[in-house]
Amino acid sequence: DQQVKQNSPSLSVQEGRISILNCDYTNSMFDYFLWYKKYPAEGPTFLISISSIKDKNEDGRFTVFLNKSAKHLSLHIVPSQPGDSAVYFCAANTPYGNKLVFGAGTILRVKS
Amino acid sequence: DGGITQSPKYLFRKEGQNVTLSCEQNLNHDAMYWYRQDPGQGLRLIYYSQIVNDFQKGDIAEGYSVSREKKESFPLTVTSAQKNPTAFYLCASSNSPYPGELFFGEGSRLTVL
Repeated sequence: DQQVKQNSPSLSVQEGRISILNCDYTNSMFDYFLWYKKYPAEGPTFLISISSIKDKNEDGRFTVFLNKSAKHLSLHIVPSQPGDSAVYFCAANTPYGNKLVFGAGTILRVKS
Repeated sequence: DGGITQSPKYLFRKEGQNVTLSCEQNLNHDAMYWYRQDPGQGLRLIYYSQIVNDFQKGDIAEGYSVSREKKESFPLTVTSAQKNPTAFYLCASSNSPYPGELFFGEGSRLTVL
């Protein structure tokens, strides 16, 4: 049972445009959400997070939006740069949960 | 520099052999985790440990074993019982038993010949 779903395996955007990566979840107990970025043959690195008490969190070019009623979150990258090309994982946790649950990832390709 | 060190980065194994992947951290984190990454399946949790001398099975623990004798170390053994061991293995740590951010190592690529 996939509790965190990233339904788009890949996304291709032009440099300078907006990249929007989507994530859906089924467990209504999730209250903390994170995005990780991963380059090939490297470990994931933390990008940005959001608590369920917020609906938006921004960090430079990266913004995460949370829609609790739809159980949906999205990561916006503006403007997209070639160095953003990577796999992006969405992850979630419950209050006092002892592990993160990850989605399958979305490959982002930013074309110059 | 604080961080997580995984070794080896690449490993080849013959079928029927056990192999141990090393994970060391100097972040003084109590919790450590092992994930497996396969194409199209994201990161799946194998084992985790929230404190020394204690560990719990994750979602795909069959064919794997771990130990946590020291806070800094959390080695993973891939046994011959693991039916499909070829994968990318990631070790992570957290400063909380209820993890928000996880800190990951660089990963180990295991290939079974």
